[in-house]
Amino acid sequence: EAQVTQNPRYLITVTGKKLTVTCSQNMNHEYMSWYRQDPGLGLRQIYYSMNVEVTDKGDVPEGYKVSRKEKRNFPLILESPSPNQTSLYFCASRDGPANQPQHFGDGTRLSIL
Amino acid sequence: GIQVEQSPPDLILQEGANSTLRCNFSDSVNNLQWFHQNPWGQLINLFYIPSGTKQNGRLSATTVATERYSLLYISSSQTTDSGVYFCAVAYGGATNKLIFGTGTLLAVQP
Repeated sequence: EAQVTQNPRYLITVTGKKLTVTCSQNMNHEYMSWYRQDPGLGLRQIYYSMNVEVTDKGDVPEGYKVSRKEKRNFPLILESPSPNQTSLYFCASRDGPANQPQHFGDGTRLSIL
Repeated sequence: GIQVEQSPPDLILQEGANSTLRCNFSDSVNNLQWFHQNPWGQLINLFYIPSGTKQNGRLSATTVATERYSLLYISSSQTTDSGVYFCAVAYGGATNKLIFGTGTLLAVQP
């Protein structure tokens, strides 16, 4: 079954404690991205990756890092989380051509206290 | 940048009723998707429909790309249809991030 898998699904943590949200897809997709969803602001792209070792900033990259060492994995790293990063996060992937549909993971709810 | 507007913002239906949700976008797009966000927050992919018409059970969608709008039809609504419906578009270069509309909040009452 084609899937985008995020872990954890829920996390409550404290300011400054580094955390990583993992994302893995089993569709051999080249393109992967991260979005955050906030009330009144909708979904906004954080980072994206066109392929292994190729990443770039989206609209709201501040406070986040990503890496793409393998095609299937695209972790989101919060080096020093702050309360304004409390949000619902989604990972997505897409096959190579730009006009293909994006497939989303089930989301990760992060609460930073 | 491209603007994506959805209407209505909120909708309350009785179970069994039909509804039409609309998505207008301000520029040419090469990708349009409809999603249902359920009460648990999951984004369920409903349709990939940059143009034309598709049907999946009680749901169907039509995109008229030349006139820059898309419609999502829900027939014989059920309580499980409740949630937020988003359309999202992508346009221009290879990065093709999805630009999401503000959503339609649907509540189906028994």
